Amino acid sequence: EVQVVESGGDLVQPGGSLRLSCAASGFTFSSYWMSWVRQAPGKGLEWVANIKEDGSEKYYVDSVKGRFTISRDNVNNSLYLQMNSLRVEDTAIYYCARNKAVAGRFYFDPWGQGTPVTVSS
Amino acid sequence: AVQMTQSPSSLSASVGDRVTITCRASQGIRNDLGWYQQKPGQAPKVLIYAASNLQSGVPSRFSGSGTGTDFTLTISSLQPEDFATYFCLQDYNYPWTFGQGTKVEVK
Repeated sequence: EVQVVESGGDLVQPGGSLRLSCAASGFTFSSYWMSWVRQAPGKGLEWVANIKEDGSEKYYVDSVKGRFTISRDNVNNSLYLQMNSLRVEDTAIYYCARNKAVAGRFYFDPWGQGTPVTVSS
Repeated sequence: AVQMTQSPSSLSASVGDRVTITCRASQGIRNDLGWYQQKPGQAPKVLIYAASNLQSGVPSRFSGSGTGTDFTLTISSLQPEDFATYFCLQDYNYPWTFGQGTKVEVK
């Protein structure tokens, strides 16, 4: 079964750091772009970051540039999101998702169940 | 950044109704658009990719159309399991951006 499972969400104080993990199974992890997407409580979805199959390209939404780092370990089939200088507005459920590509168009499938991050004093 | 304007933000419908949701992009995005369904407490799942391609396993009552700036998700005959929130997502350029979502509620 193709699946991704996030972990690492927690309650953290503003200015703190957290590292999220995403364990992939059931597919050749090193052959896919991967993404992080978040959803603040009661709000819509926000794309956060993408990483290329070999980790050589990374893209971020402006609001996390310089604070968050996406990375991957293709040996251990894992995706990570290092989050530094956390702000209250980073509070959200963070989803890991595989990017499937069809003729240069991408879509997210599957998604994980999400891991909650709460930034509060 | 490409802005995705999704409408309506919510709608009330009955089982069997035809439902149409639209997304308008602030610039042309070819057909680089997907549609996702999210139910409460669950992760989203893809329904349509590349504007009009039905994801495997998704019922044929879902369809997508459009290119350039205007896109539509249609549910031909609403079923009880379709009451959910729907989002569009453009992957034309970075940052990828979602529409604000459309909540489909029971009338």
